[in-house]
Amino acid sequence: GAVVSQHPSWVICKSGTSVKIECRSLDFQATTMFWYRQFPKQSLMLMATSNEGSKATYEQGVEKDKFLINHASLTLSTLTVTSAHPEDSSFYICSAGTGTGNGKLFFGSGTQLSVL
Amino acid sequence: DAKTTQPTSMDCAEGRAANLPCNHSTISGNEYVYWYRQIHSQGPQYIIHGLKNNETNEMASLIITEDRKSSTLILPHATLRDTAVYYCISTSGTYKYIFGTGTRLKVLA
Repeated sequence: GAVVSQHPSWVICKSGTSVKIECRSLDFQATTMFWYRQFPKQSLMLMATSNEGSKATYEQGVEKDKFLINHASLTLSTLTVTSAHPEDSSFYICSAGTGTGNGKLFFGSGTQLSVL
Repeated sequence: DAKTTQPTSMDCAEGRAANLPCNHSTISGNEYVYWYRQIHSQGPQYIIHGLKNNETNEMASLIITEDRKSSTLILPHATLRDTAVYYCISTSGTYKYIFGTGTRLKVLA
């Protein structure tokens, strides 16, 4: 089956710094990828839709200047958390579909971000 | 996409069948029902999906009612490794999943 690779698995950073998370579709091309965040014991919350070659679409309440998304190729989307603060500490997950039309998504393994 | 509702938590004895219900009463005709599970600190794992007919694969069976307003995921012989949060999602193929709270399944030894 299709594989989505996410890197890094975990990252610790100082408050005020920026962190980049990569999401790659390893054996298929993905024109659209999705970014979620998840707080402990809560469900996944969709943050944004990443579109190859165009601007990302952000969900209501998600700051686009805070969470920069770049989808420069058909196999790579990146999420950059800018000027991170402790409240940005969360589990971030990406996903992608193969485009077969049935709506099946493949998820990355997630990135645990801890901001000190 | 339709909203789904699931029980918050369930327990199941190891070796027994786990039956996880999902209500999707507002589902439209072209929406699939997908099931995923999430083990702690990992990304969601695909289990099974269906449109109208019941489906079975190596992991589970999916029973969809005739009116498509609800479905049940069946893990035929639950093991401790099946302890996870199970999510039922309906989507028309746009990939834009809206996750509900899911069901926290605990398999007991």
